Amino acid sequence: QAVLTQPSSLSASLGASASLTCTLRSGINVGTYRIYWYQQKPGSPPQYLLRYKSDSDKQQGSGVPSRFSGSKDASANAGILLISDLQSEDEADYYCMTWHSSAWVFGGGTKLTAL
Amino acid sequence: QVQLQESGPGLVKPSETLSLTCTVSGGSISSYYWNWLRQPPGKGLEWIGYIHYSGSTNYNPSLKSRVTISADTSKNQFSLKLSSVTAADTAVYYCARGDPESSSPDCWGQGTLVTVSS
Repeated sequence: QAVLTQPSSLSASLGASASLTCTLRSGINVGTYRIYWYQQKPGSPPQYLLRYKSDSDKQQGSGVPSRFSGSKDASANAGILLISDLQSEDEADYYCMTWHSSAWVFGGGTKLTAL
Repeated sequence: QVQLQESGPGLVKPSETLSLTCTVSGGSISSYYWNWLRQPPGKGLEWIGYIHYSGSTNYNPSLKSRVTISADTSKNQFSLKLSSVTAADTAVYYCARGDPESSSPDCWGQGTLVTVSS
């Protein structure tokens, strides 16, 4: 079972909020991990969005709009990327990442479609 | 604003060694971490490893036996060597600067496609 699991696709309406999840493998407690988020548009490299561990341990990437924010759902053992006021330019692939067993590990990515 | 640019052969034969260089401009490699990552066509991201400006390295356990990352501070470059390549190593290879505290990639090069084929 993969360390990080993301839904392969998600659709949301323009102007609405989109919540992207990154579920940690059973036995790995999300509370102890920093979860990083990247956005990748076709033909471009990933861009760092933010990292989130707790409200006292978080970082917004340089120039990243405040519409992008991180959180956790402890009951689901998941990290969450929340995109509010969804724009057409937010259509992209989103990857989560964490440090586990001495390596950076990525989720499989979520393709976000803005309707 | 730091910029990174990957360079190297776009085609490598099976069983040979893939060699890439990342040239850093707008900043010195004598600070931060410096990462290599890759992305097979149409697939997700995989971290290969990093080198710290002190010279220490850390590699993905799944690739460790085949990977070497080195740095040349005089040229402000760092390099990747991946030996015994197969078609499964075909990917876009990215170099990326790593956060000085955590090594997490925060600024990426544009990437270069390397195809493994005879």
